Amino acid sequence: DVKVTQSSRYLVKRTGEKVFLECVQDMDHENMFWYRQDPGLGLRLIYFSYDVKMKEKGDIPEGYSVSREKKERFSLILESASTNQTSMYLCASTGYNEKLFFGSGTQLSVL
Amino acid sequence: LAKTTQPISMDSYEGQEVNITCSHNNIATNDYITWYQQFPSQGPRFIIQGYKTKVTNEVASLFIPADRKSSTLSLPRVSLSDTAVYYCLPKYSGGYQKVTFGTGTKLQVIP
Repeated sequence: DVKVTQSSRYLVKRTGEKVFLECVQDMDHENMFWYRQDPGLGLRLIYFSYDVKMKEKGDIPEGYSVSREKKERFSLILESASTNQTSMYLCASTGYNEKLFFGSGTQLSVL
Repeated sequence: LAKTTQPISMDSYEGQEVNITCSHNNIATNDYITWYQQFPSQGPRFIIQGYKTKVTNEVASLFIPADRKSSTLSLPRVSLSDTAVYYCLPKYSGGYQKVTFGTGTKLQVIP
């Protein structure tokens, strides 16, 4: 069964902390994505990656960075967490001409 | 990248057929059209995908006219469990891709 696994379902951090959100897929997909979802704003793309060590900015990259050292793993990094980064974070992956597979999400609260 | 327009919300009674139309005026030749369903606190999940004419699976039907500038997701005989947000997404069939979601259609099924 296909799987996209996000490391934490719920996470509470303090303002200024460095936060790592991890995502692992077992489908050998080339493309991986990080989205955030806030009430009334839908899914907004933060970053995506189409290959190992390759990354592209999405629509709202400010305050975030990413890392893709291995094909199966795509990490989202909040260098200095702020309260406006409290959100649901969703990771997804896809191969060529395939459907997107999503993880179950990480609800991050920054206090 | 094709931009999509969908109704923000729809209500339907149980047992009725629901049709959700999405316009994607500048869809590219190589774009497929995919639809996703999202329940609260979960990642979206794939429902159906098509390129032209009609596609049917065990969950839904997808109608795409010849000009491909719109598509209609048809859900037969909805139940309360179909209450969700539905997203239409043109998806490039080639190499790497930026996949951006619109705001989706919130379907509320009423008993």
